[in-house]
Amino acid sequence: SQKIEQNSEALNIQEGKTATLTCNYTNYSPAYLQWYRQDPGRGPVFLLLIRENEKEKRKERLKVTFDTTLKQSLFHITASQPADSATYLCALAPPNAGNNRKLIWGLGTSLAVNP
Amino acid sequence: DTGVSQDPRHKITKRGQNVTFRCDPISEHNRLYWYRQTLGQGPEFLTYFQNEAQLEKSRLLSDRFSAERPKGSFSTLEIQRTEQGDSAMYLCASTFMADTQYFGPGTRLTVL
Repeated sequence: SQKIEQNSEALNIQEGKTATLTCNYTNYSPAYLQWYRQDPGRGPVFLLLIRENEKEKRKERLKVTFDTTLKQSLFHITASQPADSATYLCALAPPNAGNNRKLIWGLGTSLAVNP
Repeated sequence: DTGVSQDPRHKITKRGQNVTFRCDPISEHNRLYWYRQTLGQGPEFLTYFQNEAQLEKSRLLSDRFSAERPKGSFSTLEIQRTEQGDSAMYLCASTFMADTQYFGPGTRLTVL
């Protein structure tokens, strides 16, 4: 079955630096992959979606890459700010997701941006 | 429109009691999902509705769990005879024929 691996250890970086989070998957390539942000005690918030035929997506300070050969997605936050501190979740849709769009989720990586 | 809402936000109950949670999705969204999340884990899929039809239910879900979406709008999730292992955050998400899911704030359940 499909599995997702994200950095299990928390990532601590200095304000202004670029944060890079990794999402690796096993088995088949997904139809698309999404990144969400989750703050403590809150539901996840959608950030970016990248499809299997796309290499890179950007949104303001965020960038996502997708390498189907490496079976990996990288999530970058440039010019990081303390407000970016949160848990970031990777989720993917299997190629046979059909209409239900059921997502498979990683455990998330905790990011702390220090002022 | 204010997004997906869930009620209650927190629920503390004793083992063996029944609990019911409500989710109000974004008004035009036809798809609704329920997830469960424990600390340090990603969301775990429980069940999915398209309009009022429950199209999929996780095999991990015991018979004590039931969900409804009677008019294709709000949904309820009921847990009967709660157990301590049911303690978790229960998340609801909705979408309209799209890939992005919009989550509510969740209901935190604590079973004593």
